[in-house]
Amino acid sequence: DVKVTQSSRYLVKRTGEKVFLECVQDMDHENMFWYRQDPGLGLRLIYFSYDVKMKEKGDIPEGYSVSREKKERFSLILESASTNQTSMYLCASSEGGIYNEQFFGPGTRLTVL
Amino acid sequence: KQEVTQIPAALSVPEGENLVLNCSFTDSAIYNLQWFRQDPGKGLTSLLLIQSSQREQTSGRLNASLDKSSGRSTLYIAASQPGDSATYLCAAHGAGSYQLTFGKGTKLSVIP
Repeated sequence: DVKVTQSSRYLVKRTGEKVFLECVQDMDHENMFWYRQDPGLGLRLIYFSYDVKMKEKGDIPEGYSVSREKKERFSLILESASTNQTSMYLCASSEGGIYNEQFFGPGTRLTVL
Repeated sequence: KQEVTQIPAALSVPEGENLVLNCSFTDSAIYNLQWFRQDPGKGLTSLLLIQSSQREQTSGRLNASLDKSSGRSTLYIAASQPGDSATYLCAAHGAGSYQLTFGKGTKLSVIP
């Protein structure tokens, strides 16, 4: 089975802090994704990566950056956390190519105070 | 821009009933459509993936259908159980894009 893990289930940070969310997958997948999920807005894509050191913006990249130094790990960085970044963050991965099935991690519930 | 809609937002049924969840999308140029299950406070579990060339896909008590021409997909759950209670999301994969476009989900409650 594909396993996607996220470093924290719950995280509380203060406004202005730099925040790192980590995602690791164990299936040698080329593609990795970061989404956020908010009530009434659904899931929205922040960034994705189709190879090591490659990244593409999704629908809502503002206020975020990403890093993919190794194939199995994809990090989401909030450079200066703000209260409107309080959300559920979900990581996903898929095999190489555009159209493959995406597998999700358990999510990180981030609260910014 | 692709839009995906799931109606109703919530559904409550007695245990044992067969039920259908609906998903509609505005742009028929999709490559595939994926159905997910999400339990409260958890991540998404992939249930079924239907390619645009397929009409149906089955897994156990679940059957998903896809009609690209009408912009619709349905998830059929047979003999529902309380353990099926969760939010079900559909996501359309547009042709030429890495992105999935998600619906907002249908929250299903199966009453014992």
